[in-house]
Amino acid sequence: SQTIHQWPATLVQPVGSPLSLECTVEGTSNPNLYWYRQAAGRGLQLLFYSVGIGQISSEVPQNLSASRPQDRQFILSSKKLLLSDSGFYLCAWDLTASNEQFFGPGTRLTVL
Amino acid sequence: KNEVEQSPQNLTAQEGEFITINCSYSVGISALHWLQQHPGGGIVSLFMLSSGKKKHGRLIATINIQEKHSSLHITASHPRDSAVYICAVSLDSNYQLIWGAGTKLIIKP
Repeated sequence: SQTIHQWPATLVQPVGSPLSLECTVEGTSNPNLYWYRQAAGRGLQLLFYSVGIGQISSEVPQNLSASRPQDRQFILSSKKLLLSDSGFYLCAWDLTASNEQFFGPGTRLTVL
Repeated sequence: KNEVEQSPQNLTAQEGEFITINCSYSVGISALHWLQQHPGGGIVSLFMLSSGKKKHGRLIATINIQEKHSSLHITASHPRDSAVYICAVSLDSNYQLIWGAGTKLIIKP
């Protein structure tokens, strides 16, 4: 069966520090991968999606970047965090044929 | 106007009540999703449907493609059903999901 992992689960970082969040998927090949952010009290916002290794599409201009070095690995990064980067970050995957997305457990990021 | 509208935004009910959450959309879709987000933040996909009706336990989801409307029903509601329920649609044209704002449901014992 397929599983999706995210780490860390929680993170507190100072403003200006770098960020690296990792997401890995097991049990499937060639998934589409997604990074979402949910700010406090708000809905989900799509940040990046990837249809293959090295292929990244960005949905909104921002302080963050994403990379996909391997088929089932998706990394969210920042060189210098801002206060507004605080939120709940979710990784998700699906297959092109199915449309149904499956979500990781999320990372709660607090930038102080 | 948002492309996906949910109602109500907040709903508080007593244990055992029949719950209905509504979702309307204004774009062409390939599928509609109902998801559940618990207070800890984790999101679970409940249903994906493109026509008709699906049932899983006490949860029922229906969709009317002509009216661009879907409902999520919970029968015999229980405090553990308390969560945010989110409607999202997959567009015909690309990979994105368009998300509703969510409905916060509280079931009191």
